[in-house]
Amino acid sequence: GAVVSQHPSRVICKSGTSVKIECRSLDFQATTMFWYRQFPKQSLMLMATSNEGSKATYEQGVEKDKFLINHASLTLSTLTVTSAHPEDSSFYICSARERGGINEQFFGPGTRLTVL
Amino acid sequence: AQKVTQAQTEISVVEKEDVTLDCVYETRDTTYYLFWYKQPPSGELVFLIRRNSFDEQNEISGRYSWNFQKSTSSFNFTITASQVVDSAVYFCALIKNSGYSTLTFGKGTMLLVSP
Repeated sequence: GAVVSQHPSRVICKSGTSVKIECRSLDFQATTMFWYRQFPKQSLMLMATSNEGSKATYEQGVEKDKFLINHASLTLSTLTVTSAHPEDSSFYICSARERGGINEQFFGPGTRLTVL
Repeated sequence: AQKVTQAQTEISVVEKEDVTLDCVYETRDTTYYLFWYKQPPSGELVFLIRRNSFDEQNEISGRYSWNFQKSTSSFNFTITASQVVDSAVYFCALIKNSGYSTLTFGKGTMLLVSP
């Protein structure tokens, strides 16, 4: 149980395009999903917290107009990187917290974004 | 504010050696959870253990063992008889056990096990 998937696992795009990453909780309902970014040889940095049906809460320094987050259902959250640039190239990981569960997050496998 | 410190950036050992990864944390909360995750080269985070702040009992799982010392705010992780497949980045993390809170990660320790 407690499986989280991400799609795509890897994406390469041209500078200026937008990229959408999906995060799904496959066997549980997730009231809260989290988006992290990880640059090479660094730790995970929380970008934003999204609660189903409400606006995401962004961490300081993260541009909400550039990283659009939608959490339309209890099993799906999407992160859209708008007008991507090479500096947005990173490993993006989502996690989900189970509805009514203890304060634990289940992580997706990550999406590696490369912007040319 | 919470903080997790993994002072060891990189550790290199030879197969079959024992290795301990250190984790020191700071929190003002009285109840919290501590975690260890493994991140192999594929990138996916692999959950290893969760420890409640009330439970200071040490835990052993196969070649893995964890030493939780609340008095020194440490939650160290030992791999016995290391194997090449243990090569990965290991993260220690902390979350408070109240309300909706977020995980605080350490910077990670890269473990390289050579044959």
